[in-house]
Amino acid sequence: DTEVTQTPKHLVMGMTNKKSLKCEQHMGHRAMYWYKQKAKKPPELMFVYSYEKLSINESVPSRFSPECPNSSLLNLHLHALQPEDSALYLCASTQGSSPLHFGNGTRLTVT
Amino acid sequence: DAKTTQPTSMDCAEGRAANLPCNHSTISGNEYVYWYRQIHSQGPQYIIHGLKNNETNEMASLIITEDRKSSTLILPHATLRDTAVYYCIVRPSLSGSARQLTFGSGTQLTVLP
Repeated sequence: DTEVTQTPKHLVMGMTNKKSLKCEQHMGHRAMYWYKQKAKKPPELMFVYSYEKLSINESVPSRFSPECPNSSLLNLHLHALQPEDSALYLCASTQGSSPLHFGNGTRLTVT
Repeated sequence: DAKTTQPTSMDCAEGRAANLPCNHSTISGNEYVYWYRQIHSQGPQYIIHGLKNNETNEMASLIITEDRKSSTLILPHATLRDTAVYYCIVRPSLSGSARQLTFGSGTQLTVLP
């Protein structure tokens, strides 16, 4: 079980589709993260939100658009993705000195 | 963030202690050592962290050398469910919430029956 919930668990989308990944936590954490993980590789940081404001963007292409509508929710909007964007997308949250808590991810396949 | 070096893979017999080493020779005084693991098809799971003293919790023990340039994660009685990729990460102790966690390549631990 994880306290960070990600939906959907799996997503298949075409290169012309628009879709969104969702992440939710109710631990009162004010920092939320998106990571991307390719097969057999470690997770790579994409975005960090702190108090609902984007604080870090690791030079991610604009076809990935993050959104933090409130302190419990984090979205990742996807548009015009490429097959090489297929990966496991992980959400995490933290507050203060607590460790990052990760969700189990959304496995995305772009066809 | 300081870089970490871990062996690519290790095997351990079920019921024996698993000792996973990590080198972090460039660690700074304000950086903690964190350990996470990732079981196949799941998100990374926090295990333990420490600054300079040895730490123990219900999952594992963390031994940090006196010069803080290396550490060892110990799983005292490994089970098949401990098979996972184990990541050693150094992370600064900064104020505020938005502290990054940068993953290295990790160690694939396989627990053998």
